[in-house]
Amino acid sequence: KQEVTQIPAALSVPEGENLVLNCSFTDSAIYNLQWFRQDPGKGLTSLLLIQSSQREQTSGRLNASLDKSSGRSTLYIAASQPGDSATYLCAGGSSGSARQLTFGSGTQLTVLP
Amino acid sequence: NAGVTQTPKFQVLKTGQSMTLQCAQDMNHEYMSWYRQDPGMGLRLIHYSVGAGITDQGEVPNGYNVSRSTTEDFPLRLLSAAPSQTSVYFCASTTPRLAGAIGELFFGEGSRLTVL
Repeated sequence: KQEVTQIPAALSVPEGENLVLNCSFTDSAIYNLQWFRQDPGKGLTSLLLIQSSQREQTSGRLNASLDKSSGRSTLYIAASQPGDSATYLCAGGSSGSARQLTFGSGTQLTVLP
Repeated sequence: NAGVTQTPKFQVLKTGQSMTLQCAQDMNHEYMSWYRQDPGMGLRLIHYSVGAGITDQGEVPNGYNVSRSTTEDFPLRLLSAAPSQTSVYFCASTTPRLAGAIGELFFGEGSRLTVL
């Protein structure tokens, strides 16, 4: 059974800083990994999806990487802005249960003006 | 384009009552799912469906029932509400990729349920 961990649970950084959010998973037979953003009281918005055959994906100031051998994914946010403040969650699907995503508990990011 | 629509947004129930959370999507997605989100526990899969007439259990299915009679709708039924079912419920949909793997998930805004 896939287990997904995100550490730290909360992170506070000054505006303009580049930052990395971490996601660890236990089953290296991961099919794909997604990163989501959740604003307070809202649903989740998909940011990036990395297939198992890929090593990274980029969208604007966001870059997500996937290292199956080490069981890690990172979300890099460049030049952070107060509008980036939200909870970021990662989720992975194993090849044995590709129809079920396992979510991490998320990292609550605060970008200070 | 409405995307994924959930109703109601808020609901308070008494223990033992039953109710249905509604979910509808207008993107012609084959895959639909229900999650519950509890503090410190992330999202956990309750039930999912890969098409009309096909449903399957997720990680925490007990106390919940689903059906999929159309591509657009995927209601979640609480048979006899318990305080442990107090949570925020999210519906999500996508178009499956190769081997049925989940693609980019689209979420509704959530339904906040309190069971007294």
